[in-house]
Amino acid sequence: DAGITQSPRHKVTETGTPVTLRCHQTENHRYMYWYRQDPGHGLRLIHYSYGVKDTDKGEVSDGYSVSRSKTEDFLLTLESATSSQTSVYFCAIQQGAGVNYGYTFGSGTRLTVV
Amino acid sequence: GDSVTQMEGPVTLSEEAFLTINCTYTATGYPSLFWYVQYPGEGLQLLLKATKADDKGSNKGFEATYRKETTSFHLEKGSVQVSDSAVYFCALSDQGDYKLSFGAGTTVTVRA
Repeated sequence: DAGITQSPRHKVTETGTPVTLRCHQTENHRYMYWYRQDPGHGLRLIHYSYGVKDTDKGEVSDGYSVSRSKTEDFLLTLESATSSQTSVYFCAIQQGAGVNYGYTFGSGTRLTVV
Repeated sequence: GDSVTQMEGPVTLSEEAFLTINCTYTATGYPSLFWYVQYPGEGLQLLLKATKADDKGSNKGFEATYRKETTSFHLEKGSVQVSDSAVYFCALSDQGDYKLSFGAGTTVTVRA
C-alpha cells in the first residue's frame, strides 16, 4: 500500500489564525487531493494537484490555499481560520492515471476552530 | 454536473442480516463507480469498484453491480457481522476527470 501520512492528527486553533495541514506520501504519485468531511455532506473536494506546482480548485476552495513544491508533499493552508472550517480533513492520493484508479486516503486531521 | 445520491441512514441491523445500501448517480460521461468504507476513527478505504456497465465489484462479502440503465450501484452483503459497522460512501469518477464525487455516506451499525 502507498504510504500516506497527515499531520497533525488533531489541532485546535483560534479564529483568525493561519493553519497549515501537511500530507506526505512515500511514493511518487502524481495526483493528490484535499477533502473535508462534514456530517450530511460526505466528502467535498477543496483543492487538488496533478504535479509539482500544478494545483487547481475544488468545489469548496474559498478560504483555503495549497502548495506542492515537492512530489511527496501537499500542504493545505487555512489563511484565516473560521469556525465554519471546523471539520475533518482528508488527504488522498491516486495510484494510477485514469478514472479506473481509486484513491488511498490518509487517516485525517481533526481541526477545531474556536 | 456529476452527483451521487445514497440512501439516508443510519441503518441498524442484527448480525447475519442482509444489508442493502442504495446508490444512484448522474454523470455527463461514462463513469467508474466505487464504494468506500470508513471505520471509526480511520480514513476511507476502497471497498470495491466497477468500471463498465454490468460489471460486478466484490470484496469481503460485499457486492455491487454497475447498472447503466438505472444509473445505480447498490451495495449488498448477505450476512453482516458486527465488524461491518462503519460509514459507507458511494463515489464516481467521470471520464476525463480523475476527481471523485462522493455521496453523503450511510452509517451502518450491526448489533450482536
